[in-house]
Amino acid sequence: EAQVTQNPRYLITVTGKKLTVTCSQNMNHEYMSWYRQDPGLGLRQIYYSMNVEVTDKGDVPEGYKVSRKEKRNFPLILESPSPNQTSLYFCASSPRWPKETQYFGPGTRLLVL
Amino acid sequence: AQTVTQSQPEMSVQEAETVTLSCTYDTSESDYYLFWYKQPPSRQMILVIRQEAYKQQNATENRFSVNFQKAAKSFSLKISDSQLGDAAMYFCAYRTVYNTDKLIFGTGTRLQVFP
Repeated sequence: EAQVTQNPRYLITVTGKKLTVTCSQNMNHEYMSWYRQDPGLGLRQIYYSMNVEVTDKGDVPEGYKVSRKEKRNFPLILESPSPNQTSLYFCASSPRWPKETQYFGPGTRLLVL
Repeated sequence: AQTVTQSQPEMSVQEAETVTLSCTYDTSESDYYLFWYKQPPSRQMILVIRQEAYKQQNATENRFSVNFQKAAKSFSLKISDSQLGDAAMYFCAYRTVYNTDKLIFGTGTRLQVFP
């Protein structure tokens, strides 16, 4: 089944404790992205990657890191989480062409205390 | 920079009736994609319908259709014969055709469906 998976789905952590949210897709897509969703703000892009070893900042990259060492994986790293990073996070992937559709993962709900 | 505006935070409709959700956007590009996504309580993002800007014909998917007015930069979603399962948050989104991987979302419209 074609899908984007994220782990964990739910996470409670404390300020300053490094964490990684994994994202994997099995569709051989070139493009992958991370978004965060906050009430009243919709979804905003954090980082994206257009291929292996190619990443770039989205609209809200501060406090986040990413890497793309393999085509299928695109982990999101919070090296020192803060309470303002409490949010719902989505990973998404899409093919280079046709590029009209993004496939979203199920979301990761993060609470930083 | 492109922006997407959804001016209706909440809408409600009675089962079997029709409802229209509004979306406007701002861009200087001539070619792009527009989308409506549905987010039910499960939080999953589900693609409802998409529209290529170069196509004049409005997209339709079963009970869902759009009214795409390119000159007015308007992209509304019409849901016909509303069902209880249509209750969700709906997001309008914009994507450029250029070599970047970014969806720009509106703030969403919460749709309630009453029996």
